[in-house]
Amino acid sequence: AQSVSQHNHHVILSEAASLELGCNYSYGGTVNLFWYVQYPGQHLQLLLKYFSGDPLVKGIKGFEAEFIKSKFSFNLRKPSVQWSDTAEYFCAVKPPRDSGAGSYQLTFGKGTKLSVIP
Amino acid sequence: DGGITQSPKYLFRKEGQNVTLSCEQNLNHDAMYWYRQDPGQGLRLIYYSQIVNDFQKGDIAEGYSVSREKKESFPLTVTSAQKNPTAFYLCASSTDTGYPRDGYTFGSGTRLTVV
Repeated sequence: AQSVSQHNHHVILSEAASLELGCNYSYGGTVNLFWYVQYPGQHLQLLLKYFSGDPLVKGIKGFEAEFIKSKFSFNLRKPSVQWSDTAEYFCAVKPPRDSGAGSYQLTFGKGTKLSVIP
Repeated sequence: DGGITQSPKYLFRKEGQNVTLSCEQNLNHDAMYWYRQDPGQGLRLIYYSQIVNDFQKGDIAEGYSVSREKKESFPLTVTSAQKNPTAFYLCASSTDTGYPRDGYTFGSGTRLTVV
């Protein structure tokens, strides 16, 4: 089955450490890629998205992600995390147009909880 | 401000009862979605609707029902047939039903607990 994989369930970092959260997908063809963040008690917010062009995408709050087509990956990065980055992060993929009736839906990974220690 | 409103924020239900979760949007979005979020399982699609008076089952539709009588509203009913209804329910919407370039806008969720 087509899927989105986030390999880390829970990541714990100290403030100022660098962050990289992995995301891999199994769809062939042209996909659209998203990272969402859910802060404690809040709704999901879009961090960044990739549709085409430069594979290095910059988002809000200093986050960026790199699309590597050959690796089917879209990893999220931040050079220096802050305590306020403590949240759950979700990778989402919109499958190719020709992949069937569900191709306009987003498929989400299981999420990665990030805890940043002051 | 435009957005999605889900109500109530917390909901308690006795076993065997049906309960309806509200989702209203004023974004003029055509497509609306219901997801269920469980710890460690991410978001799983329950139902979606691309247009008024039409909706489709998602991956885990059993025990749930929806209606889409108005563009702005997409209520979800959790029926007594749903074996494990305690969860966090998220409603979302998107502009383009065929190819949502902007992803989804999410509501703040309803936490349902069966007691």
